[in-house]
Amino acid sequence: DTAVSQTPKYLVTQMGNDKSIKCEQNLGHDTMYWYKQDSKKFLKIMFSYNNKELIINETVPNRFSPKSPDKAHLNLHINSLELGDSAVYFCASSLHGVNEQFFGPGTRLTVL
Amino acid sequence: KNEVEQSPQNLTAQEGEFITINCSYSVGISALHWLQQHPGGGIVSLFMLSSGKKKHGRLIATINIQEKHSSLHITASHPRDSAVYICAVSYNNNDMRFGAGTRLTVKP
Repeated sequence: DTAVSQTPKYLVTQMGNDKSIKCEQNLGHDTMYWYKQDSKKFLKIMFSYNNKELIINETVPNRFSPKSPDKAHLNLHINSLELGDSAVYFCASSLHGVNEQFFGPGTRLTVL
Repeated sequence: KNEVEQSPQNLTAQEGEFITINCSYSVGISALHWLQQHPGGGIVSLFMLSSGKKKHGRLIATINIQEKHSSLHITASHPRDSAVYICAVSYNNNDMRFGAGTRLTVKP
C-alpha cells in the first residue's frame, strides 16, 4: 500500500560504475520528481517529469538521466559514478505539479 | 545566498512549549511548503499554502505574501515532534527550492 516506493533503499558501489534507482507511485499522480540530499542534509531538486515530459532539469551533470516508462514510474540512471554522488536520493510525486508532494523513503547511495 | 532562509537552525524546547520556526524567501512563488524529516530519514509534507493560514492538529502554518515570510507553529510540543522541519518554495515551472532546515529537539 506504499504510496511512493523506491528501490533499492541502500546502494553501495565503486567509482566509475553505472547504477539505477527505481521509483514507483500508486497515487495516480502525473508529476514526479528526483531530489538529492547531501551530507549536510540540504535538499536540491534534480528533475521533474510531467506526463512523461521533462519539465525542469537543474544544473545536474548529464551522467544523471531520468527515465519514465509510464506515469507511475520515474527511474534515475547514473553513469560513471563519482565520489561526490554519494547522497540520499528522494523520489516524490504530486498531482498537476502544483499540489502537495508525497515523498519516497529515500535511497542512500555510497560511492567508494 | 540561499533563496530560502530558515531560522533558527537548531531549536531545543521543553515538552509543552509553543514553538515557532520562521522562513523567508526572496522572489515570488506559487506555493510554500513545510516538510518534516524524522530521524529515520523519511520526509512528510505538513502543509502547502499560498496565502493565509492552515491548521492541522497542533501545527499551524501562516504565510504573508507581501513580506515573503512564513511561520510554522507547534502548540503543546511533544518529544515526538523532534525532527528537522524544512521550508520549501515552489514556482510555476515545478521548480522547488529548499531551506536548510531547522532541527527541533523537544525534551520531556
